[in-house]
Amino acid sequence: GAVVSQHPSWVICKSGTSVKIECRSLDFQATTMFWYRQFPKQSLMLMATSNEGSKATYEQGVEKDKFLINHASLTLSTLTVTSAHPEDSSFYICSAGDRGAGYTFGSGTRLTVV
Amino acid sequence: KQEVTQIPAALSVPEGENLVLNCSFTDSAIYNLQWFRQDPGKGLTSLLLIQSSQREQTSGRLNASLDKSSGRSTLYIAASQPGDSATYLCAVMGSGSYQLTFGKGTKLSVIP
Repeated sequence: GAVVSQHPSWVICKSGTSVKIECRSLDFQATTMFWYRQFPKQSLMLMATSNEGSKATYEQGVEKDKFLINHASLTLSTLTVTSAHPEDSSFYICSAGDRGAGYTFGSGTRLTVV
Repeated sequence: KQEVTQIPAALSVPEGENLVLNCSFTDSAIYNLQWFRQDPGKGLTSLLLIQSSQREQTSGRLNASLDKSSGRSTLYIAASQPGDSATYLCAVMGSGSYQLTFGKGTKLSVIP
């Protein structure tokens, strides 16, 4: 089945620095990938839709300059949290797949900004 | 705007019991519905996918049903085991969308 790999699993960074999270489709090509954010005891909130070779589509209220998304190949999308602050600490998850066959999710990245 | 509700928010059952998790959605114009499992601090594992034209799907001890007209889906778990303890998420894809809308999940605890 479709496999999505997300890296790193966790990261701790200092306030003001940037952090990059990678999402790879291992055995299929993904023209579209999705980035979610999950707060404790809350459901997943879609942040943006990553489109290969073009700009990402951001959901309302998500700062595109803070959460930079790059989808340069059919198997890799990256999310960069720029100038991270403690309020950016969260669990970030990516997904990819086929609309008809269902989406597969990465293992998530726990970001802690200190 | 699609809204997905899962009841109950948490459920605790003794091992071996059969149980049902509920999911309701406000817009019946869906493309498919997917049930996921999430372990603490982990990503999502897809359990079952039901297309809008289907009534149910089965995988092992899991059975998911879909009543699109009433905006409801259920996930039935037979003979529950401690290893089934996790949060179960229901997600709906609209008929004109490529995005999933998630419920807040049901946290299941199976007591040995």
